[in-house]
Amino acid sequence: DAGVIQSPRHEVTEMGQEVTLRCKPISGHDYLFWYRQTMMRGLELLIYFNNNVPIDDSGMPEDRFSAKMPNASFSTLKIQPSEPRDSAVYFCASSLVRVAGAETGELFFGEGSRLTVL
Amino acid sequence: AQKVTQAQTEISVVEKEDVTLDCVYETRDTTYYLFWYKQPPSGELVFLIRRNSFDEQNEISGRYSWNFQKSTSSFNFTITASQVVDSAVYFCALSEPRDSNYQLIWGAGTKLIIKP
Repeated sequence: DAGVIQSPRHEVTEMGQEVTLRCKPISGHDYLFWYRQTMMRGLELLIYFNNNVPIDDSGMPEDRFSAKMPNASFSTLKIQPSEPRDSAVYFCASSLVRVAGAETGELFFGEGSRLTVL
Repeated sequence: AQKVTQAQTEISVVEKEDVTLDCVYETRDTTYYLFWYKQPPSGELVFLIRRNSFDEQNEISGRYSWNFQKSTSSFNFTITASQVVDSAVYFCALSEPRDSNYQLIWGAGTKLIIKP
């Protein structure tokens, strides 16, 4: 069974450009999460969806960031315009159920998209 | 406030040694979940274990074992007879399901280096 698939694996862009990161969650998982990982701040939850509906976007740094989940098998994280401080590894993860009352509650992570903004 | 502390930034041992990674947490709740994840050099995070606050039994899975002690708010992870393939960054995380929003509180991670 395929895991969480993210693309691109690596992206190098110039400041001011639009960046779109893509994620295909595991089929049947009804939660999808976007995380950002940096050396300085560690792992940060940006936003998560339940059944394609955004539940909590309080971790989105600012209006330059937006995320969508048009259907159960696809999500995007967009940064427009990008800035050098957005350079990080962005992870998508999916989960079958919430942690609360869950049988597993474990997150399945993709391999990440490494973004470098020059 | 919720907090997860992994005081060991980096640990380096020689293969076949036993190694323990520490995790100390802070929480207001009596019901919570603790996790360990592994991040190998390839980058993806891999779930290792979930433990709820009502289950204080220690867990063993092959060379891996976990020691959950509520009295000291610790959830330590031990690798017995370490192998080079165990080299990775290991994260401890906490979740309080009472919160209306889903959020895992992550530790900073411990980088484990196993030397041949």
